Amino acid sequence: EAGVAQSPRYKIIEKRQSVAFWCNPISGHATLYWYQQILGQGPKLLIQFQNNGVVDDSQLPKDRFSAERLKGVDSTLKIQPAKLEDSAVYLCASSEYSETQYFGPGTRLLVL
Amino acid sequence: QKEVEQNSGPLSVPEGAIASLNCTYSDRGSQSFFWYRQYSGKSPELIMSIYSNGDKEDGRFTAQLNKASQYVSLLIRDSQPSDSATYLCAASSLYQLTFGKGTKLSVIP
Repeated sequence: EAGVAQSPRYKIIEKRQSVAFWCNPISGHATLYWYQQILGQGPKLLIQFQNNGVVDDSQLPKDRFSAERLKGVDSTLKIQPAKLEDSAVYLCASSEYSETQYFGPGTRLLVL
Repeated sequence: QKEVEQNSGPLSVPEGAIASLNCTYSDRGSQSFFWYRQYSGKSPELIMSIYSNGDKEDGRFTAQLNKASQYVSLLIRDSQPSDSATYLCAASSLYQLTFGKGTKLSVIP
C-alpha cells in the first residue's frame, strides 16, 4: 500500500513570496491533516479535513495560510506572503476512520 | 489549552539497556495515546498506540498508560544504536493529536 505522498520535498523562497505544498493521502483515507513542525518542536496541527470539508482550522493563520481539499482526495496548502518564521517542515498525515495517523515525508521550507 | 509535556533530553543509554521515556498530558478528555519515532530529517513513524490503562507490549517496546495520573510512558528493552531518534508522545481527542516536543534518545554502542 502506498503511503502519504508530498511534494515538493524542499523549497527555498524569499520572504513575501508565495509557496504551495501538495499532499496525496493513503488511498481510502477520509481524514487529512496538515501540520507545521518547527525545529526542536513537535508537530502542530494547522488544519483537519474530513473528505472535502474542514473539520478544524482554528490554528491556521488565515491571514496568510490557506488550504483546500477538492474532491476529497489530495490537498494543497498555500502560504502567501511567507514570513521568516514560516521556516519549518510541513507534514501531511491521513487516517481512515480511526485515530491512527500516518505521516508523509514532509516538505522542508526555508524562508530567507 | 491542550498540552503534552516531555523531557527533551537528550537521554543517553548504553546498548542493551532499557530506555524509559515519559510524558504527561493535560486534557482529561484524551482517549488514545501514541508514540512516534522521528529520525533526524525524517517524518514521524508510528511505533505504539495505547488506549486503556495498563501495559501494552510489542516486541522490544512497552507502552504504559495511567489515565488517573495523566501519564504515558514508553520502555525500550535491549536498546540498539538504531533506536537513536527523537520520540514524540501524542494524545488524541476528537481525532486530533496534540504532540509533545519529543525526547531525544541516544543509544551508545
